[in-house]
Amino acid sequence: AQTVTQSQPEMSVQEAETVTLSCTYDTSESNYYLFWYKQPPSRQMILVIRQEAYKQQNATENRFSVNFQKAAKSFSLKISDSQLGDTAMYFCAFLIQGAQKLVFGQGTRLTINP
Amino acid sequence: DAGVTQSPTHLIKTRGQQVTLRCSPKSGHDTVSWYQQALGQGPQFIFQYYEEEERQRGNFPDRFSGHQFPNYSSELNVNALLLGDSALYLCASSLRTGGVNYGYTFGSGTRLTVV
Repeated sequence: AQTVTQSQPEMSVQEAETVTLSCTYDTSESNYYLFWYKQPPSRQMILVIRQEAYKQQNATENRFSVNFQKAAKSFSLKISDSQLGDTAMYFCAFLIQGAQKLVFGQGTRLTINP
Repeated sequence: DAGVTQSPTHLIKTRGQQVTLRCSPKSGHDTVSWYQQALGQGPQFIFQYYEEEERQRGNFPDRFSGHQFPNYSSELNVNALLLGDSALYLCASSLRTGGVNYGYTFGSGTRLTVV
């Protein structure tokens, strides 16, 4: 069975600081996709960043970047120059290529303080 | 370009009742997946509909059923509600090409409370 583990239930940083959220996953598959989703109080899951497992280069989207370590099955999210609007629940998720379901972690509640 | 629309936004039901939740996918998407998110937890996959058929199902009892219409919209039905069914129900739409789903887009969910 595929599992996703987020070991940090809550994190809190000051505005403009850099923060890293951790995620590990377990699978025997070799072709898959990894995602970070943001869920603000509006409840909608918003895609932050996506990584294909076959790509060695870490994905980057503006202030958001990942550190993908395939051998270690680790997929952390770094948020640079954090902003108040980054306050939300963050979920790491995993999708096996050809499968139909996203497998989510338990989430990390991130608070950016002014 | 409308995103994923879910209705209603909130719902209160009594234990033992039945409920129907609705989802309209993002324009251009043909696949709808349903997830249950209990308070403080990550979403759990219920099932996915494509071409009006259930394509994959998560570990949920038969009390959970669904339907997809020709316009790609979908319904989630839950019978014989239990207190434990209280959760946020999220709908996600995607475009299925060559058996692969691209671009999952989520709605804002329906908050179901069973009393």
